[in-house]
This record gives sequence, structure tokens and C-alpha cells, in this order.
Amino acid sequence: QVQLQESGPGLVKPSETLSLTCIVSGSSFSSAHYWVWIRQPPGKGLEWIGNIYYTGSTYYNPSLKSRVTISVDTSNNQFSLRLSSLTAADTAVYYCARRRGGSSWVDSWGQGTLVTVSS
Amino acid sequence: QSALTQPASVSGSPGQSITMSCTGTSSDVGDYNYVSWYQQHPGKAPKLIIYDVNNRPSGVSNRFSGSKSGNTASLTISGLQAEDEADYYCNSYTSSSTWVFGGGTKVTVL
Repeated sequence: QVQLQESGPGLVKPSETLSLTCIVSGSSFSSAHYWVWIRQPPGKGLEWIGNIYYTGSTYYNPSLKSRVTISVDTSNNQFSLRLSSLTAADTAVYYCARRRGGSSWVDSWGQGTLVTVSS
Repeated sequence: QSALTQPASVSGSPGQSITMSCTGTSSDVGDYNYVSWYQQHPGKAPKLIIYDVNNRPSGVSNRFSGSKSGNTASLTISGLQAEDEADYYCNSYTSSSTWVFGGGTKVTVL
């Protein structure tokens, strides 16, 4: 049973860069999986941020592409999200998740972590 | 990419059937059978209830069913129960090799 756990700061200042890490357990990190970041502003819907394949290839939401970097650290079974030039609109619960290679659905989610952008 | 269009809310009485729509374009919903649906209760992570338009994961009630016609996918909940009160999100693959969610539908059991 795969488990995902987000970690990172709960409060960041405007214009700064957010760094979040997702630690994965119970799953072979080098298997053909996609590792995904999704966010949800308070009271609003889900937004797909992007994903990274275990080989390192990435796909990003076009609306965030200029500010997003997703990376993977297979030796430590974790992957990360960096989002730059933060504004209040980036305040959200950030979820890390997994999509199995060859499938079209997210089958495992982290519990989510609330990130607030405020001075 | 624009979010898929879902009705903001749908309601029904216990035992009734309700259907919610998820409208995209010929570059996402209309071009791929890669539509999934997620159920989200307050304060919880989403849970997969339908994948590839009309498939249910193991353990999901057969009261949930999915379909697609053209650029619109639909989720039907039959025999509505109090525990079905939640937010529901559709998700589709796109021609840009990205993924897009719908805005979400709040289901209220009257």
C-alpha cells in the first residue's frame, strides 16, 4: 500500500519561492509511475499542477509552466515541487499523488498540506 | 487550458438518481476516453470513483456509473444515500499531454 506525505512550510511570503517535498513509501519509486502535484485553493476546485515520470520527464499546467519545477530524487524515494513568484492566489492545499504508468487516473493521494502566501 | 465545465450543484432525495455533467472540448474529453471522476468529502483528499469514462475501481459502489457522449462526460449516482453528499470532480487527459479538472459539483442529499 503506497503512502505519500507532503512536507514544507505552511506560510510563505509573496514573491518568494515555495518548496514542497513528497515522501513516498510502500512503492517502488523506480517503477513506471507518474508522480503528480495537484492543488486546491480554499473553497475552490482542484487544479493539476504537473507531473514527473520516474525517468525525469515532466509535464506542467501551461498556466503555471513558467513558475513550476518538479523534480525527483529516486535515491530517497521522494519528489519535489518548486513554485516561484508567489502571490496570494497560490494559497492552497497542495496534494502529492501517484498515477501508475499506462493508466489515466490518480490512484493514491497524500493528505495534503495547506500553504498560505502572506506577508 | 480551461477547466472542464461542471454544474456548481446538484441535489436529490435519498433513493433517487442524479446525473452531473462534465463538458470539455474536442481536445480533451471529446478526443480521449481518459475521463476519471473523484469524490471529495470536506477536509479529505479526493477518492477515485470512476476511471476511463465508465470503469469502477474495486471497492467502489455500483451505484456510481459513468458515460460519455461527444465532448461531455457524465456521472450518475443511483439510489442516492446520505454518504454520497460530497464534491465531485471530473478529470481528463488533453492533447497537450496535460491533465485538466472540472470546477467541481457539490451534491446535496435533501
